[in-house]
Amino acid sequence: GESVGLHLPTLSVQEGDNSIINCAYSNSASDYFIWYKQESGKGPQFIIDIRSNMDKRQGQRVTVLLNKTVKHLSLQIAATQPGDSAVYFCAEIVTGTASKLTFGTGTRLQVTL
Amino acid sequence: DTAVSQTPKYLVTQMGNDKSIKCEQNLGHDTMYWYKQDSKKFLKIMFSYNNKELIINETVPNRFSPKSPDKAHLNLHINSLELGDSAVYFCASRHTGGAETQYFGPGTRLLVL
Repeated sequence: GESVGLHLPTLSVQEGDNSIINCAYSNSASDYFIWYKQESGKGPQFIIDIRSNMDKRQGQRVTVLLNKTVKHLSLQIAATQPGDSAVYFCAEIVTGTASKLTFGTGTRLQVTL
Repeated sequence: DTAVSQTPKYLVTQMGNDKSIKCEQNLGHDTMYWYKQDSKKFLKIMFSYNNKELIINETVPNRFSPKSPDKAHLNLHINSLELGDSAVYFCASRHTGGAETQYFGPGTRLLVL
């Protein structure tokens, strides 16, 4: 079946540094992508999204990059803060199919002081 | 105000029992979902309802039966609980025709002994 992402890796960054979290997706028909943040004991929380007709989208301190050629997404977090520590998931959708999200396996971000 | 709420937050039960998890959203959304997150943090969709009608039914054992009394509620009943059912179950919702983003509840942590 289709799969998104890699086995759960851990990324450790120092407070104030920039973080880059990567995600590979396999369904070339996916046309919408979302990054979610999941803090310990909580549900996934929307961070930023991007449609397949874009290659970059910026939010507050976050940027998502999409490379459809190699089916790759990345989430960049500027000036990482302790509150950014969480598990980050990318998710893909083929729109028009009841919005079934297919999640990647996630990346744990640890922010060190 | 809680947007997507789930009860109970924790559920510990014996194998063979029947249990229900409830979900309510006050966002005015018309589509709701159930996801299962395993011990490795992998999130997988189980069911989706749109306006009380089942639209997504993944390969889930028929011991799991969702019920949507109205578009603001989606409950999950599980019969004859098994050890492998232990997981965190998340409810989510979205507005059809709007953004693809799904909003998640806080999760129900089910432990089957």
